[in-house]
Amino acid sequence: AQSVTQPDIHITVSEGASLELRCNYSYGATPYLFWYVQSPGQGLQLLLKYFSGDTLVQGIKGFEAEFKRSQSSFNLRKPSVHWSDAAEYFCAVGAGGSTLGRLYFGRGTQLTVWP
Amino acid sequence: ETGVTQSPTHLIKTRGQQVTLRCSSQSGHNTVSWYQQALGQGPQFIFQYYREEENGRGNFPPRFSGLQFPNYSSELNVNALELDDSALYLCASSLPGQKPYNEQFFGPGTRLTVL
Repeated sequence: AQSVTQPDIHITVSEGASLELRCNYSYGATPYLFWYVQSPGQGLQLLLKYFSGDTLVQGIKGFEAEFKRSQSSFNLRKPSVHWSDAAEYFCAVGAGGSTLGRLYFGRGTQLTVWP
Repeated sequence: ETGVTQSPTHLIKTRGQQVTLRCSSQSGHNTVSWYQQALGQGPQFIFQYYREEENGRGNFPPRFSGLQFPNYSSELNVNALELDDSALYLCASSLPGQKPYNEQFFGPGTRLTVL
């Protein structure tokens, strides 16, 4: 069965510092991987996605993520965090076959940014 | 282009009652998925509707049911409400058939509180 683990429940960084949010997935075949961001009172906004090809994917707002099959990971990175990046971040895996179309989410990582 | 909208924003019910949540898909999207996001958790897939028929269901009891209408809007109905049903309910629309995977666009959610 598909599953996603986000080991860090809460991360605090200073504005301008680099950021890495961890995500590990469990899925037998090549997964479809996503990172979403959720601000208070808002829905989920897609930051980036990986389907195949180049394992380093670029997203919106200066975010990038790297797919590492050997480690079953899809970590999200940003070189310099802005105060407006404070939000909750969710990693998700999508599967094919009979479960095509559904996403499995991790429990999220809450990001706090200090000025 | 109009995004995914959901109504109401907030709702308070008591145990045993029934509730109906509504979702309007993004223009042109004919697939709707519903997710439940409990406090401190990631979203969990409830079910998906495509062309007015259920097209996949997660691990939720039958008292969670849905409808999709010809204009692709959708309803989530929950009968015999339980305290654990308190959550943010998210609707996501997508356009199937875009290989390799159809991106899902999320609405802002409906916050349901069961007392």
